[in-house]
Amino acid sequence: QSVLTQPPSVSGAPGQRVTISCTGSSSNIGAGFDVHWYQHLPGAAPKLLMFQNNNRPSGVPDRFSGSKSGTSASLAITGLQAEDEADYYCQSYDSSVSGWVFGGGTKLTVL
Amino acid sequence: QVQLQESGPGLVKPSETLSLSCSVSGISIRSYYWTWIRQSPGKGLEWIGYLDYSGNTKYNPSLKSRVSISADTSQNQFSLKLRSVTAADTAVYRCARVDGDYNTSFFYFYMDVWGKGTTVIVSS
Repeated sequence: QSVLTQPPSVSGAPGQRVTISCTGSSSNIGAGFDVHWYQHLPGAAPKLLMFQNNNRPSGVPDRFSGSKSGTSASLAITGLQAEDEADYYCQSYDSSVSGWVFGGGTKLTVL
Repeated sequence: QVQLQESGPGLVKPSETLSLSCSVSGISIRSYYWTWIRQSPGKGLEWIGYLDYSGNTKYNPSLKSRVSISADTSQNQFSLKLRSVTAADTAVYRCARVDGDYNTSFFYFYMDVWGKGTTVIVSS
């Protein structure tokens, strides 16, 4: 059971917009701690997709955007492409756990 | 280009010590913080601990009594030791570089470069 809750799966057709939610609590996201997002393709190393809620590392397309409100955060992907099919994880800090915590991951399927 | 590569035994017996290394290329480990993260079968990601460039460490409280992370600057690598393992420690173990403003709290750090991971099975 992950501290941060993500939907197990989302899907969308090429060109569409999808969002992946990351729900936390008052001891993590709700306490103001930043949320970061990672993309993981099978067989590859995970890749940092978004840091400090809404900042894209160099090389990440602006089709990806992040937001945070209250005890939740979201990753939005517009203009969905086949190459976006991957697992996505959110990460934050939790004061109850006294450490970094992750979401359970969301598998994005491009139809 | 910074690259990380995990190495170590893929099979460890229960009650023994799991030992892994992370070889870093493209940058000196003295310049950054480094971390280990694992993912058990069918479960999410779990942070194990991190090492800063002064050699200080911080561990996940749930693993703190069994884990140690250290650096070998001469080899530009850092390592993980997890003692008294059980089947619950079977997982893919990944090393990663920690980024963020090191002048602030580690609350705000994130992992900007990851290794592909190595699978460790705990079984007799």
